[in-house]
Amino acid sequence: GAVVSQHPSRVICKSGTSVKIECRSLDFQATTMFWYRQFPKQSLMLMATSNEGSKATYEQGVEKDKFLINHASLTLSTLTVTSAHPEDSSFYICSARGQGISGANVLTFGAGSRLTVL
Amino acid sequence: KQEVTQIPAALSVPEGENLVLNCSFTDSAIYNLQWFRQDPGKGLTSLLLIQSSQREQTSGRLNASLDKSSGRSTLYIAASQPGDSATYLCAVPQGAQKLVFGQGTRLTINP
Repeated sequence: GAVVSQHPSRVICKSGTSVKIECRSLDFQATTMFWYRQFPKQSLMLMATSNEGSKATYEQGVEKDKFLINHASLTLSTLTVTSAHPEDSSFYICSARGQGISGANVLTFGAGSRLTVL
Repeated sequence: KQEVTQIPAALSVPEGENLVLNCSFTDSAIYNLQWFRQDPGKGLTSLLLIQSSQREQTSGRLNASLDKSSGRSTLYIAASQPGDSATYLCAVPQGAQKLVFGQGTRLTINP
C-alpha cells in the first residue's frame, strides 16, 4: 500500500518549452504533496509544499512563476516547469503524505522524473 | 535552520563486512529521524524511522540509532551484500511537514 506514481520518468525538451510532471497517490488520499529537486550527487532540496485545494508554499529562492504547482485533488499534484532552460535540467521527486488504508499516516516518494532541457 | 550532514560521502567495502553510516543534525529538537535508500535514478525508499523517544530501530540487517542530545544518528548494516549498494540518506523534520535531507552516503559493496 501507499504507492505514489510519478510520470514521466524521463523527459527531454527544447529550451523555452514547458514541461508538466504528474504525481499521483494510487491507493491513498494525499492531503499534502511535496516537490523536491535533486542535482547529481547532491541531496534533495525541497521546492514547495502543496495542500489539496490551496496554493503551494514555495521555499525561499524557488520561483513560483517558473515552477507552477497544482494540487487540485487528493490524488494528483502537478509540477509545470515553464519556459524551461538547460539549468532547469535536474531530477524532480515528489512525495505524498496522507492516511493509508490502515489509517496510519504515510509518507511515500515517487520514483522521480529526469528532466533534460536541450 | 536545521542542517544535516552525512559522513562519509562515499564508501566502498568488500561483501560481508559490517559498516556504519553517520548522520549529524544541528537542531536537536526533532521528533523523529528517518533513513532512506535511493538507487541510481530512482526515488526514495524508507528504511527506518526512529521516534525521538527511541534510541534505536531495527529491520533485518539494518539497525539505526539516535542520540538526540549529541545530534547524531548511525545506520549499521550487518553482513553487507552487493544488493545493498545504493545511496543512503538521512532526514529530519523541520516544522510540521518539511523534511531536511543530508547529502547522502554512496555505498558500494564489492563482490
